[in-house]
Amino acid sequence: GQNIDQPTEMTATEGAIVQINCTYQTSGFNGLFWYQQHAGEAPTFLSYNVLDGLEEKGRFSSFLSRSKGYSYLLLKELQMKDSASYLCAVSGSGGSYIPTFGRGTSLIVHP
Amino acid sequence: DGGITQSPKYLFRKEGQNVTLSCEQNLNHDAMYWYRQDPGQGLRLIYYSQIVNDFQKGDIAEGYSVSREKKESFPLTVTSAQKNPTAFYLCASSSGSGHQPQHFGDGTRLSIL
Repeated sequence: GQNIDQPTEMTATEGAIVQINCTYQTSGFNGLFWYQQHAGEAPTFLSYNVLDGLEEKGRFSSFLSRSKGYSYLLLKELQMKDSASYLCAVSGSGGSYIPTFGRGTSLIVHP
Repeated sequence: DGGITQSPKYLFRKEGQNVTLSCEQNLNHDAMYWYRQDPGQGLRLIYYSQIVNDFQKGDIAEGYSVSREKKESFPLTVTSAQKNPTAFYLCASSSGSGHQPQHFGDGTRLSIL
């Protein structure tokens, strides 16, 4: 089976830091992706983790712990344009390369 | 620029009607996918194709059909058997290795008349 959990909604203040968690229970693992999706638009790729540790890309960082089935996306110096849904997707469940998506976390950034 | 194009952006379906959503990519990707997105549901896989002339059912294939006659194209037909078709449909492509991200089209919003 496969189960991917993310919080449904989070709010934060412009300029602050926010951490969006993703926990997964899958029968296989081939990597974890984070995507950003603005309302009514296509998801866009943010990061990919396959080994344990932190991957940093500008204001966005992503962390993975395979032993704990846990990842987080860290957004620093929040901007209003960061208000979006953030999707966690796990590849490799059941031996398939097809990613399985969580339900997404809607982030609302307040001025 | 390479990319993935979906059309139309908005589509309306009448009772008993089949409708076809277009998806074209010029990224030379082997794998293509169709997802359905409902509010609060995330992305659910309808069908995927790893190679021309081959495709596999995803988690919610009932009421849908696809074809993959060309590498660049992966159209989705929403048949009259799909009783609740109102949703946002996303097409994606990837290299198929599992280590590369998917590239998504801008989506088609399908509604019932």
